[in-house]
Amino acid sequence: DVKVTQSSRYLVKRTGEKVFLECVQDMDHENMFWYRQDPGLGLRLIYFSYDVKMKEKGDIPEGYSVSREKKERFSLILESASTNQTSMYLCASEDRIFYEQYFGPGTRLTVT
Amino acid sequence: GNSVTQMEGPVTLSEEAFLTINCTYTATGYPSLFWYVQYPGEGLQLLLKATKADDKGSNKGFEATYRKETTSFHLEKGSVQVSDSAVYFCALSSQGGSEKLVFGKGTKLTVNP
Repeated sequence: DVKVTQSSRYLVKRTGEKVFLECVQDMDHENMFWYRQDPGLGLRLIYFSYDVKMKEKGDIPEGYSVSREKKERFSLILESASTNQTSMYLCASEDRIFYEQYFGPGTRLTVT
Repeated sequence: GNSVTQMEGPVTLSEEAFLTINCTYTATGYPSLFWYVQYPGEGLQLLLKATKADDKGSNKGFEATYRKETTSFHLEKGSVQVSDSAVYFCALSSQGGSEKLVFGKGTKLTVNP
Protein backbone atom coordinates (compact mmCIF):
# COMPACT_ATOMS: atom_id res chain seq x y z
CA ASP A 1 0.00 0.00 0.00
CA VAL A 2 1.11 3.52 -0.73
CA LYS A 3 1.89 5.41 2.37
CA VAL A 4 2.14 9.18 2.68
CA THR A 5 3.04 10.45 6.11
CA GLN A 6 3.08 13.97 7.46
CA SER A 7 5.26 15.07 10.34
CA SER A 8 2.49 16.31 12.63
CA ARG A 9 -1.26 15.92 12.88
CA TYR A 10 -1.70 19.10 14.93
CA LEU A 11 0.57 22.10 15.22
CA VAL A 12 0.23 25.41 17.03
CA LYS A 13 2.59 28.25 16.14
CA ARG A 14 2.84 31.93 16.87
CA THR A 15 2.62 34.73 14.34
CA GLY A 16 5.99 35.40 12.75
CA GLU A 17 7.46 31.97 13.44
CA LYS A 18 9.05 29.91 10.68
CA VAL A 19 7.11 26.69 10.23
CA PHE A 20 8.19 23.48 8.54
CA LEU A 21 5.67 20.86 7.44
CA GLU A 22 7.19 17.65 6.19
CA CYS A 23 5.77 14.95 3.98
CA VAL A 24 7.29 11.57 3.15
CA GLN A 25 6.08 8.98 0.67
CA ASP A 26 7.31 5.44 0.25
CA MET A 27 6.28 4.63 -3.32
CA ASP A 28 9.08 6.28 -5.29
CA HIS A 29 6.63 8.73 -6.87
CA GLU A 30 8.10 11.62 -8.80
CA ASN A 31 5.18 13.98 -8.31
CA MET A 32 4.32 15.49 -4.96
CA PHE A 33 1.86 18.20 -3.96
CA TRP A 34 0.93 20.50 -1.10
CA TYR A 35 -2.67 21.66 -0.66
CA ARG A 36 -4.52 23.61 1.94
CA GLN A 37 -8.08 22.80 2.83
CA ASP A 38 -10.48 25.38 4.19
CA PRO A 39 -14.22 25.09 4.84
CA GLY A 40 -16.25 26.20 1.85
CA LEU A 41 -13.17 26.52 -0.35
CA GLY A 42 -12.26 22.91 -0.90
CA LEU A 43 -8.64 22.08 -1.65
CA ARG A 44 -6.31 24.64 -3.15
CA LEU A 45 -2.92 23.81 -4.55
CA ILE A 46 0.03 25.63 -2.98
CA TYR A 47 3.05 24.07 -4.68
CA PHE A 48 3.96 20.91 -6.50
CA SER A 49 7.12 19.15 -7.57
CA TYR A 50 7.89 16.85 -10.48
CA ASP A 51 11.28 15.73 -9.29
CA VAL A 52 14.05 16.36 -6.85
CA LYS A 53 14.96 20.05 -6.64
CA MET A 54 12.10 20.96 -8.98
CA LYS A 55 9.12 22.98 -7.87
CA GLU A 56 6.19 24.74 -9.46
CA LYS A 57 3.81 27.29 -8.01
CA GLY A 58 0.24 26.29 -7.60
CA ASP A 59 -2.77 28.53 -7.23
CA ILE A 60 -1.93 30.11 -3.87
CA PRO A 61 1.88 30.12 -3.37
CA GLU A 62 2.11 33.49 -1.62
CA GLY A 63 3.59 33.20 1.85
CA TYR A 64 4.90 29.68 1.26
CA SER A 65 7.99 28.01 -0.10
CA VAL A 66 8.93 24.37 -0.60
CA SER A 67 11.95 22.13 -0.62
CA ARG A 68 12.53 18.81 -2.34
CA GLU A 69 16.05 17.59 -1.64
CA LYS A 70 15.17 13.89 -1.76
CA LYS A 71 12.64 12.13 -3.92
CA GLU A 72 10.62 10.81 -1.01
CA ARG A 73 10.41 14.04 0.96
CA PHE A 74 8.61 17.28 0.18
CA SER A 75 8.63 20.08 2.73
CA LEU A 76 6.35 23.08 2.96
CA ILE A 77 7.78 26.17 4.64
CA LEU A 78 5.94 29.12 6.06
CA GLU A 79 8.66 31.76 6.27
CA SER A 80 6.73 33.97 8.70
CA ALA A 81 3.48 32.42 9.82
CA SER A 82 0.37 34.57 9.86
CA THR A 83 -3.08 33.95 11.28
CA ASN A 84 -4.59 33.62 7.79
CA GLN A 85 -2.42 30.54 7.29
CA THR A 86 -4.39 28.68 9.93
CA SER A 87 -5.67 25.74 7.95
CA MET A 88 -5.51 22.03 7.24
CA TYR A 89 -2.50 21.17 5.08
CA LEU A 90 -2.56 18.06 2.94
CA CYS A 91 0.33 16.47 1.14
CA ALA A 92 -0.09 14.09 -1.79
CA SER A 93 2.08 12.00 -4.04
CA GLU A 94 1.14 10.79 -7.47
CA ASP A 95 2.03 7.84 -9.62
CA ARG A 96 2.78 8.59 -13.26
CA ILE A 97 1.12 5.50 -14.63
CA PHE A 98 -2.46 6.03 -13.56
CA TYR A 99 -2.07 9.61 -12.34
CA GLU A 100 -3.75 8.87 -9.05
CA GLN A 101 -2.95 11.01 -6.06
CA TYR A 102 -2.41 9.52 -2.61
CA PHE A 103 -2.91 11.81 0.35
CA GLY A 104 -1.40 11.99 3.78
CA PRO A 105 -3.60 12.39 6.88
CA GLY A 106 -3.12 16.15 7.01
CA THR A 107 -1.64 18.64 9.46
CA ARG A 108 -4.01 20.99 11.18
CA LEU A 109 -2.01 24.17 11.74
CA THR A 110 -3.17 26.92 14.05
CA VAL A 111 -1.32 30.23 14.02
CA THR A 112 -2.05 32.43 17.03
CA GLY B 1 -9.73 27.50 -17.03
CA ASN B 2 -10.81 24.16 -15.69
CA SER B 3 -13.37 24.10 -12.88
CA VAL B 4 -15.59 21.74 -10.96
CA THR B 5 -18.96 22.52 -9.42
CA GLN B 6 -20.55 20.10 -7.01
CA MET B 7 -23.76 20.32 -5.07
CA GLU B 8 -23.54 22.12 -1.80
CA GLY B 9 -24.14 20.22 1.35
CA PRO B 10 -24.56 19.16 3.88
CA VAL B 11 -26.56 16.15 2.81
CA THR B 12 -28.30 14.13 5.50
CA LEU B 13 -29.81 10.73 4.72
CA SER B 14 -31.18 7.77 6.58
CA GLU B 15 -29.44 4.42 6.30
CA GLU B 16 -30.35 2.52 3.12
CA ALA B 17 -31.45 5.67 1.29
CA PHE B 18 -30.36 6.42 -2.27
CA LEU B 19 -27.55 8.91 -2.68
CA THR B 20 -26.80 11.30 -5.51
CA ILE B 21 -24.16 14.00 -5.32
CA ASN B 22 -24.09 16.14 -8.44
CA CYS B 23 -20.88 17.21 -10.10
CA THR B 24 -20.44 19.20 -13.29
CA TYR B 25 -17.25 20.42 -14.83
CA THR B 26 -15.78 22.89 -17.28
CA ALA B 27 -12.62 21.85 -19.05
CA THR B 28 -10.77 22.05 -22.30
CA GLY B 29 -9.89 18.83 -23.98
CA TYR B 30 -10.72 15.47 -22.46
CA PRO B 31 -10.15 15.47 -18.72
CA SER B 32 -10.07 12.53 -16.38
CA LEU B 33 -12.65 12.69 -13.59
CA PHE B 34 -12.36 11.53 -10.01
CA TRP B 35 -14.30 11.22 -6.80
CA TYR B 36 -12.30 11.40 -3.58
CA VAL B 37 -13.65 10.72 -0.08
CA GLN B 38 -12.42 12.14 3.19
CA TYR B 39 -13.48 10.34 6.35
CA PRO B 40 -13.43 12.32 9.61
CA GLY B 41 -9.92 13.07 10.76
CA GLU B 42 -8.26 11.58 7.69
CA GLY B 43 -6.77 12.63 4.38
CA LEU B 44 -8.46 12.11 1.03
CA GLN B 45 -8.76 8.70 -0.58
CA LEU B 46 -9.50 7.99 -4.20
CA LEU B 47 -12.98 6.48 -4.41
CA LEU B 48 -13.36 6.02 -8.16
CA LYS B 49 -12.36 7.52 -11.47
CA ALA B 50 -13.18 7.60 -15.18
CA THR B 51 -10.78 8.57 -17.90
CA LYS B 52 -12.97 8.89 -20.98
CA ALA B 53 -16.51 9.65 -22.03
CA ASP B 54 -19.14 7.02 -21.09
CA ASP B 55 -16.74 5.27 -18.71
CA LYS B 56 -18.29 4.24 -15.43
CA GLY B 57 -16.16 4.24 -12.31
CA SER B 58 -17.28 2.11 -9.40
CA ASN B 59 -16.05 1.15 -5.95
CA LYS B 60 -17.61 0.15 -2.60
CA GLY B 61 -21.11 0.35 -4.10
CA PHE B 62 -20.57 3.88 -5.42
CA GLU B 63 -20.81 4.62 -9.14
CA ALA B 64 -20.30 7.60 -11.42
CA THR B 65 -20.54 7.85 -15.21
CA TYR B 66 -18.50 10.28 -17.29
CA ARG B 67 -21.08 12.18 -19.38
CA LYS B 68 -19.40 14.42 -21.89
CA GLU B 69 -22.65 15.68 -23.39
CA THR B 70 -23.78 17.08 -20.04
CA THR B 71 -20.26 17.62 -18.65
CA SER B 72 -21.25 15.73 -15.54
CA PHE B 73 -19.90 13.02 -13.24
CA HIS B 74 -22.59 12.48 -10.61
CA LEU B 75 -21.86 10.15 -7.70
CA GLU B 76 -24.54 7.59 -6.79
CA LYS B 77 -25.05 4.80 -4.31
CA GLY B 78 -28.15 2.71 -4.03
CA SER B 79 -28.15 2.13 -0.29
CA VAL B 80 -25.97 4.22 1.99
CA GLN B 81 -24.60 3.10 5.33
CA VAL B 82 -23.62 5.02 8.43
CA SER B 83 -20.00 4.29 7.57
CA ASP B 84 -20.39 6.31 4.33
CA SER B 85 -20.58 9.52 6.36
CA ALA B 86 -17.73 11.62 5.00
CA VAL B 87 -16.91 14.55 2.75
CA TYR B 88 -16.92 13.77 -0.98
CA PHE B 89 -14.87 15.72 -3.50
CA CYS B 90 -15.27 15.71 -7.25
CA ALA B 91 -12.09 16.49 -9.20
CA LEU B 92 -10.71 16.63 -12.70
CA SER B 93 -7.33 16.52 -14.33
CA SER B 94 -6.22 17.43 -17.79
CA GLN B 95 -5.83 14.92 -20.53
CA GLY B 96 -2.39 13.39 -20.75
CA GLY B 97 -1.56 13.51 -17.10
CA SER B 98 -2.73 14.85 -13.82
CA GLU B 99 -0.06 17.38 -13.05
CA LYS B 100 -2.56 18.97 -10.78
CA LEU B 101 -6.12 18.19 -9.83
CA VAL B 102 -8.90 20.74 -9.78
CA PHE B 103 -11.28 20.01 -6.90
CA GLY B 104 -14.84 20.90 -6.16
CA LYS B 105 -15.58 22.39 -2.77
CA GLY B 106 -16.73 19.12 -1.25
CA THR B 107 -20.08 17.78 -0.09
CA LYS B 108 -20.51 16.58 3.45
CA LEU B 109 -22.69 13.50 3.80
CA THR B 110 -24.15 12.37 7.10
CA VAL B 111 -25.98 9.06 7.25
CA ASN B 112 -28.17 8.45 10.28
CA PRO B 113 -29.10 4.98 11.55
